[in-house]
Amino acid sequence: DIQLTQSPSFLSASVGDRVTITCRASQGISNYLAWYQQKPGKAPKLLIYVASTLQSGVPSRFSGSGSGTEFTLTISSLQPEDFATYYCQQLDSYPPYSFGQGTKLEIK
Amino acid sequence: EVQLVESGGALVQPGRSLKLACTASGFTFGDYAMSWVRQAPGKGLEWVGFIRSKVYGETTEYAASVKGRFTISRDDSKSIAYLQMNSLKTEDTAVYYCTRDHVDTSRVTRFDPWGQGTLVTVSS
Repeated sequence: DIQLTQSPSFLSASVGDRVTITCRASQGISNYLAWYQQKPGKAPKLLIYVASTLQSGVPSRFSGSGSGTEFTLTISSLQPEDFATYYCQQLDSYPPYSFGQGTKLEIK
Repeated sequence: EVQLVESGGALVQPGRSLKLACTASGFTFGDYAMSWVRQAPGKGLEWVGFIRSKVYGETTEYAASVKGRFTISRDDSKSIAYLQMNSLKTEDTAVYYCTRDHVDTSRVTRFDPWGQGTLVTVSS
């Protein structure tokens, strides 16, 4: 199984800050990585797929990069609605289509 | 509007069975593979399994934690995907989401959208 490790697991930041979340895969997954945002009590929402393609309707302050084993999600200027938990997911091989453990982004 | 709605969640005793449904609308259901993902209370996301479209034989794949106990099926005439859960354990307690799998050049690249989820509680 491919393991995904996100860092940090918790992140405290302020509105307007630039933040970066890292996702490391236990083996190479090319660019088959997606990022999701989840708010409390809600379903996950797709942000980025194939490592760097922004899903339609997602604000351009979100961006993704990386390939192989290391990937990043960057929010260029945090907005109040961005405080949530973020998950990466690998879609290179299954089973399973594994997820990272999540990064909870909180308001400082 | 593309929409997925899960139903069937309930409180069930360990060892019993439960069947969830995911009703789709707003797209040609039969063209897509469908996945189930679960989230235990306060925990992260866990992929449960998926079912391919009819073109790919409606074949299924499962996570090791549920293989042999859970079965995914689909009824394209009703635009519904099902998750049959047998021999339920307390560790199966979770919100269960269904999602649509997007394929680009023969590879699944993302899950979108997701349903709102349905809660399954396994407890005596």
